[in-house]
Amino acid sequence: NAGVTQTPKFHILKIGQSMTLQCTQDMNHNYMYWYRQDPGMGLKLIYYSVGAGITDKGEVPNGYNVSRSTTEDFPLRLELAAPSQTSVYFCASSYSEGSPLHFGNGTRLTVT
Amino acid sequence: GQQLNQSPQSMFIQEGEDVSMNCTSSSIFNTWLWYKQDPGEGPVLLIALYKAGELTSNGRLTAQFGITRKDSFLNISASIPSDVGIYFCAALDSNYQLIWGAGTKLIIKP
Repeated sequence: NAGVTQTPKFHILKIGQSMTLQCTQDMNHNYMYWYRQDPGMGLKLIYYSVGAGITDKGEVPNGYNVSRSTTEDFPLRLELAAPSQTSVYFCASSYSEGSPLHFGNGTRLTVT
Repeated sequence: GQQLNQSPQSMFIQEGEDVSMNCTSSSIFNTWLWYKQDPGEGPVLLIALYKAGELTSNGRLTAQFGITRKDSFLNISASIPSDVGIYFCAALDSNYQLIWGAGTKLIIKP
């Protein structure tokens, strides 16, 4: 099993551009999550999904959108990138609510 | 909202020393989790605690779920160079919302 795979690993985006961060998992987990990690701030939940076709906002959803058309994939979209979205983004999945999360290796995004 | 206070923020230790870190909150939680993050990677689960008072070990790591359900501790015995990284506590509330601490950065002095 590859686990949770995120692409790209790094990206530089200009202000106002849009992009999609990809996340896929091969563990057949129903639950998937997007977090952002800023220095000294821990992990903040952006969006999560409890199954294909279902998504919900987390703690910091503004400026982002997600979709979950399949169990495996949970892409995160930035429509109008802003410098405040410079961060490291982690995708995670879990078997059920309350189960430990499995993380991808992150996408380091810089918006300039 | 709920938050976890994780301390210390960073630790400089000598190889071979024991390490202690903790997480506290004013809220009650049902599950406590400890993760470790190596540079350039995502967090990896070390220990999960599901019952108040529970003490669980994973090799040189030992974690405890506080009896009040408002805190948890992680101890690492006889630290080695590969222990460096950032350690995160996380806790699950009754609505299955996962709350994260800000992390403890462990640095081993050469």
